[in-house]
Amino acid sequence: EAQVTQNPRYLITVTGKKLTVTCSQNMNHEYMSWYRQDPGLGLRQIYYSMNVEVTDKGDVPEGYKVSRKEKRNFPLILESPSPNQTSLYFCASSGIAEYTDTQYFGPGTRLTVL
Amino acid sequence: AQSVSQHNHHVILSEAASLELGCNYSYGGTVNLFWYVQYPGQHLQLLLKYFSGDPLVKGIKGFEAEFIKSKFSFNLRKPSVQWSDTAEYFCAAYGSARQLTFGSGTQLTVLP
Repeated sequence: EAQVTQNPRYLITVTGKKLTVTCSQNMNHEYMSWYRQDPGLGLRQIYYSMNVEVTDKGDVPEGYKVSRKEKRNFPLILESPSPNQTSLYFCASSGIAEYTDTQYFGPGTRLTVL
Repeated sequence: AQSVSQHNHHVILSEAASLELGCNYSYGGTVNLFWYVQYPGQHLQLLLKYFSGDPLVKGIKGFEAEFIKSKFSFNLRKPSVQWSDTAEYFCAAYGSARQLTFGSGTQLTVLP
């Protein structure tokens, strides 16, 4: 089954404790992306990747890091989480014709930073 | 910068009522447009998309949207809503920035 998986689905942590949210897709997609969803703000893109070893900032990259060492994986790293990073995070992927291709979304990771 | 606006933040309808959700984008070049739906507790799913051609696009579950270039709009419609349509709806646009820009979302509540 074609899918995007994220782990963990729920995470409660404390300020400053490094964490990683994993994202994996099994559709051989080149394009992967991370979004955060906040009430009243919709989804805002954090980082995206056009292919292995190619990443770029989205609209709200501050406080986040990503890596793309393998095509299927695109982890989101919070080196020193802060309470304003409490949010719902979605990973997505699509084919290289990203302008015309549908993005497939993962189930989401709800992060709470105390 | 590219942006997408959804002016209806929360819409409440009774079953069988007609639905129209507004979406406007602010990009003058070629743009691809999408409507996504998020049911409670679930991830986003594609409802429909417009790339080119017929400006009236039909999607899943009886939804349709009309692309009006002169108005920079891509409104979502459904002739008769059901209780199961209760969800949050997001309009999104791809422009040359290689980013999918989302609107702030419209929460639709359908009363049985």
